[in-house]
Amino acid sequence: ETGVTQSPTHLIKTRGQQVTLRCSSQSGHNTVSWYQQALGQGPQFIFQYYREEENGRGNFPPRFSGLQFPNYSSELNVNALELDDSALYLCASSFSGTGGIGELFFGEGSRLTVL
Amino acid sequence: SQQGEEDPQALSIQEGENATMNCSYKTSINNLQWYRQNSGRGLVHLILIRSNEREKHSGRLRVTLDTSKKSSSLLITASRAADTASYFCAVSGNTPLVFGKGTRLSVIA
Repeated sequence: ETGVTQSPTHLIKTRGQQVTLRCSSQSGHNTVSWYQQALGQGPQFIFQYYREEENGRGNFPPRFSGLQFPNYSSELNVNALELDDSALYLCASSFSGTGGIGELFFGEGSRLTVL
Repeated sequence: SQQGEEDPQALSIQEGENATMNCSYKTSINNLQWYRQNSGRGLVHLILIRSNEREKHSGRLRVTLDTSKKSSSLLITASRAADTASYFCAVSGNTPLVFGKGTRLSVIA
């Protein structure tokens, strides 16, 4: 039990639609990261938020956007869904300090299927 | 890229044997971390080793770090069927953690 919860756990959308995924971080953590994991692949870094500001982004187009709220909960929004967006989306919270990024605490993920 | 790359891609062993997985990276790091993932679930942190450490133990896990070779290894001793999972390394420097493709470990009872 990591204390990180994601919702919804599963959802099905059609091409062109928009989706919002939610994540509740562990108490005391100031950083949240989002990853996309296609079947059989490693997690791909989407972006990271530190104290409500985006401070790192992977190779994902602008239709992937996010927010981090003062209570450190977070959202991942994907517009104009494509078939290749079908994946497991993982949220991870952590505490970032001078020693680099510490241990990531992952949620169980949101499984998105785009038809 | 600060991505860690795991090797081998897949590993199959008998219960009771030891399993060794390797990770290589290209840049300077603050720490290196190993994670485990059961199929379709979230990743679970196993162990973190800092750049000034050479070896770390946690239960049946032993991690080594060689910063001169930019490599790390994860050893699982006396493996169990429940150790069947994918294992990922990730390096932490001045950029967010990125993961490789992982090593898929199968432990056969």
